[in-house]
Amino acid sequence: ETGVTQTPRHLVMGMTNKKSLKCEQHLGHNAMYWYKQSAKKPLELMFVYNFKEQTENNSVPSRFSPECPNSSHLFLHLHTLQPEDSALYLCASSQDHSNQPQHFGDGTRLSIL
Amino acid sequence: DQQVKQNSPSLSVQEGRISILNCDYTNSMFDYFLWYKKYPAEGPTFLISISSIKDKNEDGRFTVFLNKSAKHLSLHIVPSQPGDSAVYFCAASDSGTYKYIFGTGTRLKVLA
Repeated sequence: ETGVTQTPRHLVMGMTNKKSLKCEQHLGHNAMYWYKQSAKKPLELMFVYNFKEQTENNSVPSRFSPECPNSSHLFLHLHTLQPEDSALYLCASSQDHSNQPQHFGDGTRLSIL
Repeated sequence: DQQVKQNSPSLSVQEGRISILNCDYTNSMFDYFLWYKKYPAEGPTFLISISSIKDKNEDGRFTVFLNKSAKHLSLHIVPSQPGDSAVYFCAASDSGTYKYIFGTGTRLKVLA
């Protein structure tokens, strides 16, 4: 298995639910990222982890909580989301956090009821 | 205010002809630029990149041109193939933050 794998691919949840998105990379990279893509909008960077340390939080509401237990795994814990949080959530990785191409997973399509 | 703009939401090209996708940026600190391709239900796939010290980078059928004075970059695909039909995103970053700023994408349709 290679590349960046995200699970689940689709998620429907109510505003009071708690769920987690999972990302796993098999590329030996040291930096991992969460992006949000809403309809008709560009990809927005949410969080950056470099060597398991969070180096960027792009003013993301606290109802989104990332976790990076090791360089291969990244989670996004979701709690008390709002309808406007419905979007495609993409995980990416790169060798490290520098000017290098990022490799993306296929995303989780999240719908908040 | 969008720092990276792709003003053409869509483009149709005949198979075998050249596809030219354009991207404009406003931040003069950007020094690294990339193009990604995205098929439906898949994540973006890295295509080609260019550093601001160059004005052209070529990889097979794909060439990226950078015009720093105009703050403009373009992706040329020649010859275009039906499998190139996808959404193309440009992205830019600077060596201070390494944060990629993406454009909204251009949907390319290559007609057989």
